[in-house]
Amino acid sequence: AIRITQSPSSLSASTGDRVTITCRASQGISSYLAWYQQKPGKAPKLLIYAASTLQSGVPSRFSGSGSGTDFTLTISCLQSEDFATYYCQQYYSYPPFTFGPGTKVDIK
Amino acid sequence: EVQLVESGGGLVQPGGSLRLSCAASGFTVSSNYMSWVRQAPGKGLEWVSVIYSGGSTYYADSVKGRFTISRDNSKNTLYLQMNSLRAEDTAVYYCARDMDSSGFDAFDIWGQGTMVTVSS
Repeated sequence: AIRITQSPSSLSASTGDRVTITCRASQGISSYLAWYQQKPGKAPKLLIYAASTLQSGVPSRFSGSGSGTDFTLTISCLQSEDFATYYCQQYYSYPPFTFGPGTKVDIK
Repeated sequence: EVQLVESGGGLVQPGGSLRLSCAASGFTVSSNYMSWVRQAPGKGLEWVSVIYSGGSTYYADSVKGRFTISRDNSKNTLYLQMNSLRAEDTAVYYCARDMDSSGFDAFDIWGQGTMVTVSS
């Protein structure tokens, strides 16, 4: 199974900051990567798929890049509603689908 | 409105059984790849099972032989039958839709989740 790692596991940032989260796959997955946002007590929400395609309705301050094994989620100007946990997921080779361990973004 | 609504969670003793339901509206369950994903308290997301539009089913190693995914096309509902439950199965269980009806894509629609607690 393809393993996914994320870094950092957590970060503290301020409103207005630029935030970058990295996801790495144990083998090449082309662009078959998604990013999700999850707030406490809520279901995950799809932000980006195909590594860089913004899901409908997601603010343009979110962007994704990468292919192969290394991927990045960037929030260009952090807003208060962006404090949450972010997960990446590969869907290149399944089953099993695999998620990263998550990155918690909290307020500095 | 396209949505998924889970039900059926609760408290069950180790070794017991539970069946989760996921009712869909706004789209047809049988036309999509549908998955169950769980999240143990304070932990990350873990994929559990998928049913393809063609009916093939697959499971995570952690639940293989104990859980069964199925669907009722007439009710437009997805199910997860969970048997021989263990404490480590305690989690919020989400159903989710693959955004491409042919599969091999991200999960664009998620239910609100249903809590399963396995404890004596």
